[in-house]
Amino acid sequence: LAKTTQPISMDSYEGQEVNITCSHNNIATNDYITWYQQFPSQGPRFIIQGYKTKVTNEVASLFIPADRKSSTLSLPRVSLSDTAVYYCLVGLRSSGAGSYQLTFGKGTKLSVIP
Amino acid sequence: DVKVTQSSRYLVKRTGEKVFLECVQDMDHENMFWYRQDPGLGLRLIYFSYDVKMKEKGDIPEGYSVSREKKERFSLILESASTNQTSMYLCASSLVALGQETQYFGPGTRLLVL
Repeated sequence: LAKTTQPISMDSYEGQEVNITCSHNNIATNDYITWYQQFPSQGPRFIIQGYKTKVTNEVASLFIPADRKSSTLSLPRVSLSDTAVYYCLVGLRSSGAGSYQLTFGKGTKLSVIP
Repeated sequence: DVKVTQSSRYLVKRTGEKVFLECVQDMDHENMFWYRQDPGLGLRLIYFSYDVKMKEKGDIPEGYSVSREKKERFSLILESASTNQTSMYLCASSLVALGQETQYFGPGTRLLVL
């Protein structure tokens, strides 16, 4: 079953590009990779999702190499309001023992510095 | 906009009490989820439901049960609350096939068990 690993924290200055990488070595063929953003005292919010190669939307880009064992969330020109915890999520499927697993990473706390 | 609401933002209960956490979504989503979030552990799936009266165990179902009598409502039940169930509880819903969906989260319920 896919487990995900992310850096615990990252610091960045305003205006810089930030790249957060998530490792998911055991990703399954059918798994998609989804990233969420969470502010304090709020539920997570969807940012972007991809299956392979590159996906871009109005807030971020997601890079997934050919082997799909990792993914990188790229935030262009971060601002103070991007300070949050970022989670990567891989798949939801049966563990084969009567339960399901949905693997959220433990999150990366991004701090944007003025 | 999808709206997921949870019955309480903060809740204080005593050990041994039966606790009900309610979640309602207004977008006719098939899938609904309950997570708990603890510092350093990220989000962990407790139960999810893919249809009315259907439920599946997640990573940590012990000590919890769920009920889905109507499509829009998903309840998490702590039969006999214990102090180790003090946590932030997050509900989510989604429309598309499991593993490929965008999950929409509620604001969370912070439960304190004394």
